Amino acid sequence: EAGVVQSPRYKIIEKKQPVAFWCNPISGHNTLYWYLQNLGQGPELLIRYENEEAVDDSQLPKDRFSAERLKGVDSTLKIQPAELGDSAVYLCASSSLVGNEQFFGPGTRLTVL
Amino acid sequence: GENVEQHPSTLSVQEGDSAVIKCTYSDSASNYFPWYKQELGKRPQLIIDIRSNVGEKKDQRIAVTLNKTAKHFSLHITETQPEDSAVYFCAASRGSGYSTLTFGKGTMLLVSP
Repeated sequence: EAGVVQSPRYKIIEKKQPVAFWCNPISGHNTLYWYLQNLGQGPELLIRYENEEAVDDSQLPKDRFSAERLKGVDSTLKIQPAELGDSAVYLCASSSLVGNEQFFGPGTRLTVL
Repeated sequence: GENVEQHPSTLSVQEGDSAVIKCTYSDSASNYFPWYKQELGKRPQLIIDIRSNVGEKKDQRIAVTLNKTAKHFSLHITETQPEDSAVYFCAASRGSGYSTLTFGKGTMLLVSP
């Protein structure tokens, strides 16, 4: 079974530039999560999708962050414009409807200069 | 919302010793408690989880205990090996297939040969 796929793995941009991250969850997993992980910290939820619907986006900074999950499969997380404090690892995870285990992708390490 | 505290932040043991990591949570409605292991530069991976209808669960050298009254749970690793060296995160959620995990800040475990 293929795991959660994310791209790119690394991204370096200058502040005020836009950036986008892509996630392909495990086949059949209807729930998709985007997390932010700062160095030395645990993952913090940004947004959770159930199929196409964003059911928990309370921690998403909506002035600069946006996300979409068209057709309830792949998802894209965007930052525009990026700020220095956005440097972190962005993790995507997915889970099935019936279980609680979340399977994580390898993450995208973003560096904003 | 849920708040998860994790201690210690770092733990150094000799190979063969036992290691214990402790977490407390604040939401009495939480009933699902997973533990994730994250090796340097890699994705978090579930190593064991426990639900509130049991007090202890074991899987080979790893065990988790849960005290719902006190709202704390612990990870126990026996006969530690150098490959156990990683960051361990505890988490808590209300346990449905749709729920959000709140993570602790992590414990860096170093096992010296």
